[in-house]
Amino acid sequence: QQQVKQSPQSLIVQKGGISIINCAYENTAFDYFPWYQQFPGKGPALLIAIRPDVSEKKEGRFTISFNKSAKQFSLHIMDSQPGDSATYFCAARNDRGSTLGRLYFGRGTQLTVWP
Amino acid sequence: EPEVTQTPSHQVTQMGQEVILRCVPISNHLYFYWYRQILGQKVEFLVSFYNNEISEKSEIFDDQFSVERPDGSNFTLKIRSTKLEDSAMYFCASSENRLHEQYFGPGTRLTVT
Repeated sequence: QQQVKQSPQSLIVQKGGISIINCAYENTAFDYFPWYQQFPGKGPALLIAIRPDVSEKKEGRFTISFNKSAKQFSLHIMDSQPGDSATYFCAARNDRGSTLGRLYFGRGTQLTVWP
Repeated sequence: EPEVTQTPSHQVTQMGQEVILRCVPISNHLYFYWYRQILGQKVEFLVSFYNNEISEKSEIFDDQFSVERPDGSNFTLKIRSTKLEDSAMYFCASSENRLHEQYFGPGTRLTVT
């Protein structure tokens, strides 16, 4: 069962444009939704995260939009830069259940920002 | 800034051999995790470890796998008899507590031939 579905698989954006990556989840017990950024040869690094008590969270050029009723959340990267070129993973976690920190990841989006 | 380290960065082994992947979590962290990523696929949870015992394991983490914290700093993943399908990038992660951010290491690429 695919707990977290992510799209698109790859995304090409011009410098200065907006990158949008979408995720949908199935388990309504999830209550923590992080986005990870991964550069080649490195491990995933937390970029930004949201909990379902808010509909949007912004940190610099990165914004998470969260729609609890639709069980969807998305990452928006404003003014995309070539240095943003990386693989982005959405993830989800149930912080109230018996699972101790298990993250469920989406399949990843390969973002390429052209200069 | 503290970071999770992993050794080796790349391990090549023959099918049926045992491998041990090593991780040094961030020093004040109490929760430890192993994840794996088969090439081109998503990151998958293997196991979580707290207070010197397994907290949760996924369906992937069968009897061929084991984890250990042999001393105060290292956290290891052992695969007893490797299979071709074990070829993947293995990530170690750690966190202060289960509600906090997980910090990932750079990974060990395991190639089983």
